[in-house]
Amino acid sequence: QSALTQPASMSGSPGQSITISCTGTRDNIGSYNFVSWYQQHPGKVPKVIIYEVNKRPSGVSDRFSGSSFGDTASLTISGLQAEDEADYYCSSYAGSSTVVFGGGTKVTVL
Amino acid sequence: QLQMQESGPGLVKPSETLSLTCTVSGGSIANRNYFWAWIRQPPGKGLEWIGGIYYFGRTYYSPSLKSRLDISLDTSKNQFSLNLEFVTAADTAVYYCVNGDWDPVPHYFDSWGQGTLVTVSS
Repeated sequence: QSALTQPASMSGSPGQSITISCTGTRDNIGSYNFVSWYQQHPGKVPKVIIYEVNKRPSGVSDRFSGSSFGDTASLTISGLQAEDEADYYCSSYAGSSTVVFGGGTKVTVL
Repeated sequence: QLQMQESGPGLVKPSETLSLTCTVSGGSIANRNYFWAWIRQPPGKGLEWIGGIYYFGRTYYSPSLKSRLDISLDTSKNQFSLNLEFVTAADTAVYYCVNGDWDPVPHYFDSWGQGTLVTVSS
């Protein structure tokens, strides 16, 4: 059982937008603006695409955006493309220099 | 740009100790900006944070693994290591060594090793 809860799967057509939720508690998302999101293609190493709720590392498409309210964070993928088909994991700082992850969301581009 | 490479046995027997080493290149493991950590991923499942260590050697572990876990630095070899005792099949996973900044706290990881699969089986 992961500390953060994500939908197991989501899908969308090319060009559409989808929003992945990530629900935690006051012990993690609800207390810290240190939410990050990782993208993992099959057989590949995870890659950070959002950190500190809504910041994008250099080179990450601006089609990815993040937000957070209360105990829930969200990742929005705008203008869905075939290359966005991957697993997405949220993560949050959880105090005492520890980190927790969500169970992951498999995104399918129809 | 940091490069990180995990090494260690790919097969460990139940009840024994899983030992992995991460060799870092392209930067110093003693860099004050860095936090070094281990993350694992069981086959077909999600990511799990195992624990991490600051450049000065202080460690922080996942509560669920804390009693079996030890992470250490070897600055002379620019490496850090993971030892997980009394393993079971549930510890079978791809183990990643990772790095991130820690200002003001460690919260995301932007450098990852390629990962190494460790299977626990007799």
